[in-house]
Amino acid sequence: DVKVTQSSRYLVKRTGEKVFLECVQDMDHENMFWYRQDPGLGLRLIYFSYDVKMKEKGDIPEGYSVSREKKERFSLILESASTNQTSMYLCASIAGGGETQYFGPGTRLLVL
Amino acid sequence: QKEVEQDPGPLSVPEGAIVSLNCTYSNSAFQYFMWYRQYSRKGPELLMYTYSSGNKEDGRFTAQVDKSSKYISLFIRDSQPSDSATYLCAMVSGGSNYKLTFGKGTLLTVNP
Repeated sequence: DVKVTQSSRYLVKRTGEKVFLECVQDMDHENMFWYRQDPGLGLRLIYFSYDVKMKEKGDIPEGYSVSREKKERFSLILESASTNQTSMYLCASIAGGGETQYFGPGTRLLVL
Repeated sequence: QKEVEQDPGPLSVPEGAIVSLNCTYSNSAFQYFMWYRQYSRKGPELLMYTYSSGNKEDGRFTAQVDKSSKYISLFIRDSQPSDSATYLCAMVSGGSNYKLTFGKGTLLTVNP
């Protein structure tokens, strides 16, 4: 089975802090994604990466950056956390040539 | 018009009922269709994946795709309290860097 893990299930941070969310997948997938999920808004794509050191902006990249130094690991960075970034953050991965994304358990981030 | 429309519910049914969940879409390029199940405070998990028009059955679950009407459905037979979750439809066109477009999800409660 594909396994996607995220470094934290719950995180509380202060406004202005730099926040790192880590995602690791164990299936050698080329493509990895970061979403946020908010009530009434559904899943929104922040960034995705189709190869090591490659990244593309999703629909809502403002206030975020990403890093992919190794194939199995995709990090989401909140440069200066703000209260409107309080959300559920979900990481997903997919094999090249595949169509189905596999999700991690999510990180619930609260920014105070 | 949004690319994918999904009735958010909530939908409440008695145990044993047949449940019908639906999504409509506007982009004719969508070729692959998925249903994800998401339990509260967890990441989405892939439930069904279909490509062609028609029906695909897996146990109590049937996924139906009608490309001519741009309409997909998920049927749950003999629904159980453990089916209580949010159901997300998702779709992707070929050659799109595997970016999925999601519906906003339907919250289902199956009452014992």
